[in-house]
Amino acid sequence: QSVLTQPPSVSGAPGQRVTISCTGSSSNIGAGYDVHWYQQLPGTAPKLLIYGNSNRPSGVPDRFSGSKSGTSASLAITGLQAEDEADYYCQSYDSSPGVVFGGGTKLTVL
Amino acid sequence: EVQLVESGGGLVQPGRSLRLSCAASGFTFDDYAMHWVRQAPGKGLEWVSGISWNSGSIGYADSVKGRFTISRDNAKNSLYLQMNSLRAEDTALYYCAKKRGLWSGPDAFDIWGQGTMVTVSS
Repeated sequence: QSVLTQPPSVSGAPGQRVTISCTGSSSNIGAGYDVHWYQQLPGTAPKLLIYGNSNRPSGVPDRFSGSKSGTSASLAITGLQAEDEADYYCQSYDSSPGVVFGGGTKLTVL
Repeated sequence: EVQLVESGGGLVQPGRSLRLSCAASGFTFDDYAMHWVRQAPGKGLEWVSGISWNSGSIGYADSVKGRFTISRDNAKNSLYLQMNSLRAEDTALYYCAKKRGLWSGPDAFDIWGQGTMVTVSS
């Protein structure tokens, strides 16, 4: 069981907007630690999508955005495209055990 | 090109040892903390261990504490993971990952290798 909780799956039609939640607690997200998001396409290594709650690395489309509030964070994807079909993971830090990941969310583009 | 290349994975019997390596290139290796993250087949990501730029700060997940040892050789731009007393539940794809920032606090991982597979089975 992961320290950070994500929905196992979400889906949306091309062009739609979807959000993926990441729920933590007062010892991780709620303690002020940043949340980061990764995209993992099938058969590939994770790729950093959002860092520091809402910042996009160079090259990541602005269709991807992140936010954080209280003990939770969210990843939003607008203008959904077939190529967005992947697994998405949130990551933060916990006073114990340290670096923590969410269980992952599989995005299906209908 | 910024790159991380892992090696050393394979099939190993329970209770035996294995040493993973990660060769870094394209960035100033000794400026950054480095980490190992693993992914069991069909499962999510699990942080394994991390080491600061000068090896002065090291951390482990509870699941590997006392069995795994992380180290680095800045002269060789290399990161290592010595895995002892391996168990079936250690079976996973092991990624090395670079911390994004130079500061000492927690941060994202901005560069990942392609992973090396470790299978623990008799």
